[in-house]
Amino acid sequence: EVSLVESGGGLVHPGGSLRLSCAASGITISSFWVSWVRQAPGKGLEWMANIKTDGSQTFYVDSVKGRFTISRDNAKNSVFLQMNSLTAEDSAVYYCATLSSPADYWGQGTLVAVSS
Amino acid sequence: QSVLTQPPSVSAAPGQKVTISCSGSSSNIGSFYVSWYQHLPGTAPKLLIYDNANRPSGIPDRFSASKSGTSATLGITGLQTGDEADYYCGTWDSSLTVWVFGGGTKVTVL
Repeated sequence: EVSLVESGGGLVHPGGSLRLSCAASGITISSFWVSWVRQAPGKGLEWMANIKTDGSQTFYVDSVKGRFTISRDNAKNSVFLQMNSLTAEDSAVYYCATLSSPADYWGQGTLVAVSS
Repeated sequence: QSVLTQPPSVSAAPGQKVTISCSGSSSNIGSFYVSWYQHLPGTAPKLLIYDNANRPSGIPDRFSASKSGTSATLGITGLQTGDEADYYCGTWDSSLTVWVFGGGTKVTVL
């Protein structure tokens, strides 16, 4: 059975940092581009960033450029999101996802709360 | 404001049909395949449709979709209470070099 499991969320003060992890099992993560997608309270899905299969290419939404960094360790079947300079607007459930087809995989999400 | 425009909500009685529109531009829907996702609160989003009109294994044929130009449409027939969820369209945008989701449409079964 395939699963993506996010971890690393929690409560952080404004200006603080968090590192999210996405651990895959049942699939070889190196075969997939992987994205981070978030959903803030009462809002819709918002794509954050993605990373190519070998880590050689990344893309970011403007709102996180220079603050968030996506990376991967295919040997550990994992993808990461380093989040710096966090603000209240970054509070959300963060999902990792392959956004692939016809098989598409999502984690259950990890909650990030930015508050003083 | 989302790059892809969806109606905030649609509703219909059980057994009826609803359609959800997704309007974009030449740099996204006009150039790339569209996917549709179903999202129930507290769960992971689920892929309903890929490559504009294809259903992954296990998705019932009550769900269908199409694309024309810079717009896409999702249809749900034989509406069931279990279909109450938020639905999102998504695709790549070559001008912004980002994946874009629509704002989401809440489906309510009356």
